[in-house]
Amino acid sequence: SQTIHQWPATLVQPVGSPLSLECTVEGTSNPNLYWYRQAAGRGLQLLFYSVGIGQISSEVPQNLSASRPQDRQFILSSKKLLLSDSGFYLCAWSKTGLNQPQHFGDGTRLSIL
Amino acid sequence: QKEVEQDPGPLSVPEGAIVSLNCTYSNSAFQYFMWYRQYSRKGPELLMYTYSSGNKEDGRFTAQVDKSSKYISLFIRDSQPSDSATYLCAMSNFNKFYFGSGTKLNVKP
Repeated sequence: SQTIHQWPATLVQPVGSPLSLECTVEGTSNPNLYWYRQAAGRGLQLLFYSVGIGQISSEVPQNLSASRPQDRQFILSSKKLLLSDSGFYLCAWSKTGLNQPQHFGDGTRLSIL
Repeated sequence: QKEVEQDPGPLSVPEGAIVSLNCTYSNSAFQYFMWYRQYSRKGPELLMYTYSSGNKEDGRFTAQVDKSSKYISLFIRDSQPSDSATYLCAMSNFNKFYFGSGTKLNVKP
């Protein structure tokens, strides 16, 4: 069966510091991968998605970037964090193909001080 | 107008009650419909995945889709305290997914 791992679970960072959140998927090949941010009461905001190694689409221009260095690894990064980057970050995967449901990791709660 | 509308609740029911959770949407091109359950400080977990109008049942859960009314529902029978969570609806059109903001459900013992 497929599993998705996301770490760290909780992170506290000062303003202006860099960020690296990692997500890996096991038990499947060539998945679609997604990064979301979830704000309380505002639903899920898609940040980036990837259909293959090195292929990244950005949905929202912002202080963040994503990379996919390996088939089942997805990384969310920032060079300098802003206060507004605080939130709950979720990684998800889906099978290749249209309309495949997404499966989520347990998220990283990021607090910027 | 939002693509997907979902009442945030909270919805509080006694144990054993039948729960009805609902979403409306505006885009008639949506083809697939999903319900996720999200416990506090966890990621959403896929509960139901449906394509056509009609009902799909899985244990105590029934997903209902009415494409003519652009309305989907999730029914939970014999609700349990362990069902207390936030429920998110989602729908897709090819590779674009749209999520509701979630309804918080509290099942009281």
